[in-house]
Amino acid sequence: DTEVTQTPKHLVMGMTNKKSLKCEQHMGHRAMYWYKQKAKKPPELMFVYSYEKLSINESVPSRFSPECPNSSLLNLHLHALQPEDSALYLCASSQDWARYNEKLFFGSGTQLSVL
Amino acid sequence: AQKITQTQPGMFVQEKEAVTLDCTYDTSDPSYGLFWYKQPSSGEMIFLIYQGSYDQQNATEGRYSLNFQKARKSANLVISASQLGDSAMYFCAMKGSYQTGANNLFFGTGTRLTVIP
Repeated sequence: DTEVTQTPKHLVMGMTNKKSLKCEQHMGHRAMYWYKQKAKKPPELMFVYSYEKLSINESVPSRFSPECPNSSLLNLHLHALQPEDSALYLCASSQDWARYNEKLFFGSGTQLSVL
Repeated sequence: AQKITQTQPGMFVQEKEAVTLDCTYDTSDPSYGLFWYKQPSSGEMIFLIYQGSYDQQNATEGRYSLNFQKARKSANLVISASQLGDSAMYFCAMKGSYQTGANNLFFGTGTRLTVIP
């Protein structure tokens, strides 16, 4: 199984809503990532979890709250988002975070629209 | 600091022809990896090919090959025998070493490839 599964595929939410994005992998990977991708732009790193500990937070606003309940699961909790947060949110995983030769496996993303 | 440059916003290629997508990079890290990913309209980022900074041979994966010129800091992707399903966005990306704090995957701006029947 070489898949990273993300749910939901599409999400529309109001600025006062609370929602969560979910990501799952069963490849035994110990690093998991959240990237944000605006239309016609490259993905930008948001968070890195390594061995279930938050290792990188790229100055992401607190209305985004990541959670790694176990080595296979990664959540992104959303609260009080702004319309400019509308984007494709990609989850990825890799065997190891530190090594430069580690390829990342990506999910198909959650397309988020904030109204 | 790392930098990845993809100068071709869009490229067209005739079906069954070969195409080269350009990528140049800049880093002071001696240990780094270069990656190419394909992103179809469905959104998923699909890994295509990897080249390490110490690799002597150019990487190949099926119809994909990487033209790695270390002195020129370029890592161009060559797709041979293009197919309609190759139409997608292509991203060049780089990962440096943990010791320099550059071990996060960083993407270029991408090239949109369109294959013409």
